Amino acid sequence: GAGVSQTPSNKVTEKGKYVELRCDPISGHTALYWYRQSLGQGPEFLIYFQGTGAADDSGLPNDRFFAVRPEGSVSTLKIQRTERGDSAVYLCASSLGQGVGEAFFGQGTRLTVV
Amino acid sequence: AQSVAQPEDQVNVAEGNPLTVKCTYSVSGNPYLFWYVQYPNRGLQFLLKYITGDNLVKGSYGFEAEFNKSQTSFHLKKPSALVSDSALYFCAVRDKGGYNKLIFGAGTRLAVHP
Repeated sequence: GAGVSQTPSNKVTEKGKYVELRCDPISGHTALYWYRQSLGQGPEFLIYFQGTGAADDSGLPNDRFFAVRPEGSVSTLKIQRTERGDSAVYLCASSLGQGVGEAFFGQGTRLTVV
Repeated sequence: AQSVAQPEDQVNVAEGNPLTVKCTYSVSGNPYLFWYVQYPNRGLQFLLKYITGDNLVKGSYGFEAEFNKSQTSFHLKKPSALVSDSALYFCAVRDKGGYNKLIFGAGTRLAVHP
């Protein structure tokens, strides 16, 4: 597709379970970002990939959160032992990675931990 | 630390009237500033950016923004509002880390009334 694709669009999970959120960036975009948007707030940075490597993971809130991008394209955000406070919309974005360019966002995955 | 502030939670304007959505920034050095719009159940969409050059930046859907260094502001404007402009608007600044990591404001909800 032409845009950033995120699956699933909605995910409901029980407290303590493990979840994976997938992001398929725009073809050719080397930079990929994950953000988290809680209700009534702006998106908050989680992690940035340049190619396959995580160049900046300073936004990950704790070691329950992990992300991978093994082939430099699709990325998966993994959350272990989910907590109710993890409930939010998780946004993925990609950009060309060169210069000061705009990032293109997916529609997000709404995660609800019950 | 770099940050942006959006002092208004909501802006109400009548259709056909000019609109302004306010943003101020706190950045060391020259800022790279962005505006994004978020429609219900849709991802963030890029509107415009300021990198350097003219202080008045023109973007998508008839929006423009004025960079004011002395007031550290980057207000979003449109001469004539449409009902379809009703959405959530986010101001953002690029982090100094050398890639397109964005720091977002809390957002302003724009309501345009017929």
